[in-house]
Amino acid sequence: DQQVKQNSPSLSVQEGRISILNCDYTNSMFDYFLWYKKYPAEGPTFLISISSIKDKNEDGRFTVFLNKSAKHLSLHIVPSQPGDSAVYFCAAAYQGAQKLVFGQGTRLTINP
Amino acid sequence: ETGVTQSPTHLIKTRGQQVTLRCSSQSGHNTVSWYQQALGQGPQFIFQYYREEENGRGNFPPRFSGLQFPNYSSELNVNALELDDSALYLCASRVGGTDTQYFGPGTRLTVL
Repeated sequence: DQQVKQNSPSLSVQEGRISILNCDYTNSMFDYFLWYKKYPAEGPTFLISISSIKDKNEDGRFTVFLNKSAKHLSLHIVPSQPGDSAVYFCAAAYQGAQKLVFGQGTRLTINP
Repeated sequence: ETGVTQSPTHLIKTRGQQVTLRCSSQSGHNTVSWYQQALGQGPQFIFQYYREEENGRGNFPPRFSGLQFPNYSSELNVNALELDDSALYLCASRVGGTDTQYFGPGTRLTVL
């Protein structure tokens, strides 16, 4: 039962353009969502989060959008830089629960 | 830098053996979770410890066990290793009551 899905295993974007990574979830009890970035041989690094009471959160080049009715969130990176090349995981949690539920990840490659 | 460290970095064991993985959390992070990440998948929740007691468990058998110590360190123990236990094991810490978890670099376990 995959409660959090990232349907694109990979994404390739030109340097300087916008990268859009998508994530869908099925459990309507989720009320907190996070994006993590992972380089090879490192643990996931927290990027940005959003609570279900909001529909948008920005932090520098990173913006997360949440559409609760569609159970969909997306991460926008503008402008994309070569250092953004990594695997991106979305994760979800609900208040009182101990665990994060992760998607399968999307490998983002930024081409010069 | 998340302030979360794990040891060892890599480990090779044979089927049937036992293994102990270690994690040191940030000072003040009284909640630690362990995740298993198989190749090509997102991390899967194993269990969580809060104030030295297990308070949440994912779909893992009892041969996966853990300990948390007062000095913010913790252990993951796996008995009777199976080939499918080969994975990256991640620990993540947070302050109890908050949702953002900070991950260590992981331990790569290979079971032959």
